[in-house]
This record gives sequence, structure tokens and C-alpha cells, in this order.
Amino acid sequence: TQLLEQSPQFLSIQEGENLTVYCNSSSVFSSLQWYRQEPGEGPVLLVTVVTGGEVKKLKRLTFQFGDARKDSSLHITAAQPGDTGLYLCVGFFGNEKLTFGTGTRLTIIP
Amino acid sequence: DVKVTQSSRYLVKRTGEKVFLECVQDMDHENMFWYRQDPGLGLRLIYFSYDVKMKEKGDIPEGYSVSREKKERFSLILESASTNQTSMYLCASTIQGLDYGYTFGSGTRLTVV
Repeated sequence: TQLLEQSPQFLSIQEGENLTVYCNSSSVFSSLQWYRQEPGEGPVLLVTVVTGGEVKKLKRLTFQFGDARKDSSLHITAAQPGDTGLYLCVGFFGNEKLTFGTGTRLTIIP
Repeated sequence: DVKVTQSSRYLVKRTGEKVFLECVQDMDHENMFWYRQDPGLGLRLIYFSYDVKMKEKGDIPEGYSVSREKKERFSLILESASTNQTSMYLCASTIQGLDYGYTFGSGTRLTVV
């Protein structure tokens, strides 16, 4: 069974600060996705990364896929209260099953 | 705007009851999934379906069954609800090829008392 570890598990920072959260696995991903889940809602897809070393930007969010395709990071610049939520990484290992990480719960304090 | 709709946001049921959770998608997606989400455990796959009348067990199918009689509807059934099935249940759908990402419903928070 493939495992995805996300760190930190909880993060609480002031508005305007920068932050990075991480997703790691001992196995190689075919592709990886990041989702954000707001309280009382289902997760919403933010990005899919496929190529080792790939970097994708979504406004203030920067997603990086490790060269070896075993890890990924999400960097948020100048965090805003609207960034608050549970961030989930989801690994696709090529066997038609997705594995979800346990998530990073992010709170941005105004 | 594409949608996955779960019939109930909150449910309270008694131990031993048979519980039906309904999910409908309007995107003509082939694949549909049921997950449960618990603190510290993340999302765990209960059942999934790649086509009408097809179903596959996920990682934690015990105590659950599913039904997919129409492409747009995927039902999760708790045959005899137990307190350890208290959880947030999430339905999701996707087109063929999991790289396209899931579209999730808003979830059903089920409490079994």
C-alpha cells in the first residue's frame, strides 16, 4: 500500500506571511494532484502535476513536483484568510487507484 | 457548472437502521466513487464504479454496499448502521483517466446513535 505523508499536519500563520507544505512518498508517482477543502464542502482540485521537476503557478500558489516524482510542495505567497482550508495531496501510482494524504490544515489569521 | 450532488448534508440514524446515501452527477462521467473522511485518517475509498451496474471494492468495503443502476447515480448503502460508521461521506466522479481529477460533492455528515 502506497503511503502519502503530508507535513505539517497543522499550520496557523498571520495574514501576509509565506508558507510551504509538503507531500512525500516512498513510491514514485505517475502524477500528483493538490486539492483544497473548505469546511463543510468537498475537496476542489487545484492542480495536477505530471513531469518530474515541473512547477505550476496558480496566482499566489506555486506547486512543485520533485525531480524523482516522489515528493511535491505547495508554496503560498502573502497568505490571505481565503486560503484557510484543508490541503490534500493525492498520488496516482499508475494502478488506477488514487491515494490521499491525510492533509495539512491551514489557518490564516487576519 | 458541473456538479456532483449528494442528497443530504446531515443525517442522524439509529444503530441497526439501513441507510441510503445518494449521489448524482450531471457531467456524464463514467467513474464514480464513495469515500469516507475521518480526522487523522484522511479519505478512504469504500467502493467505486467504472460503469453502470459495475462495482469494485475499495479499501474499506465492510458494512457497505453500492448500487449503480444509471450512469448518473451512485448509491451507498449501509446495511445495518453502526456507531463506527459515523463519518463524513464524500461522493466523487471523474471521466476515464484519473489524471483529470475528481469532482466531489459537498459531503454527507452521518451520525449513527
